[in-house]
Amino acid sequence: GIQVEQSPPDLILQEGANSTLRCNFSDSVNNLQWFHQNPWGQLINLFYIPSGTKQNGRLSATTVATERYSLLYISSSQTTDSGVYFCAGDNQGGKLIFGQGTELSVKP
Amino acid sequence: SQTIHQWPATLVQPVGSPLSLECTVEGTSNPNLYWYRQAAGRGLQLLFYSVGIGQISSEVPQNLSASRPQDRQFILSSKKLLLSDSGFYLCAWSVRGEQPQHFGDGTRLSIL
Repeated sequence: GIQVEQSPPDLILQEGANSTLRCNFSDSVNNLQWFHQNPWGQLINLFYIPSGTKQNGRLSATTVATERYSLLYISSSQTTDSGVYFCAGDNQGGKLIFGQGTELSVKP
Repeated sequence: SQTIHQWPATLVQPVGSPLSLECTVEGTSNPNLYWYRQAAGRGLQLLFYSVGIGQISSEVPQNLSASRPQDRQFILSSKKLLLSDSGFYLCAWSVRGEQPQHFGDGTRLSIL
């Protein structure tokens, strides 16, 4: 199966700062998703983005499928953005493989 | 719209006791269903997935089993829990493979 690497593993930001999270895949994927896990453990879908660029408010994501990586941009960060961000991909009919996550802490 | 329900939200069980976690999906038919486990707060691991009633695929050998008795019901079970079964268990569904997966709120399982 594929391997998923996320960087950085931890990130501390001051409120209002921007950040970029990266996800590298060892092989091509047909499904690529970004999630935010809040402090209560809920896994929130952010983007389904096997290729291209999408934006949703202060968040945007870009996947370059030919180079097997995806980026998540957070602009004007807020304390509510804190939590763990996961990317996950699959190329075997639904078997999502998750990265180890980026733990983001946004300080007021 | 589609919704996914998991229960219970938290569970504390003694070693050696049985387990049954339930997941149901509403608002869709014949979904793909998945069980994941998250240990130590990072990285989810796929345990089981199902493409239809009675069809279960296991991804890792373990002390757990899964069943799908109805189209939108997915159950995670164990006959005898081990300490290593502790973790956060999440159920997910998708329209079909390689489509976005949507997760339930999870069950936090502690084994004493």
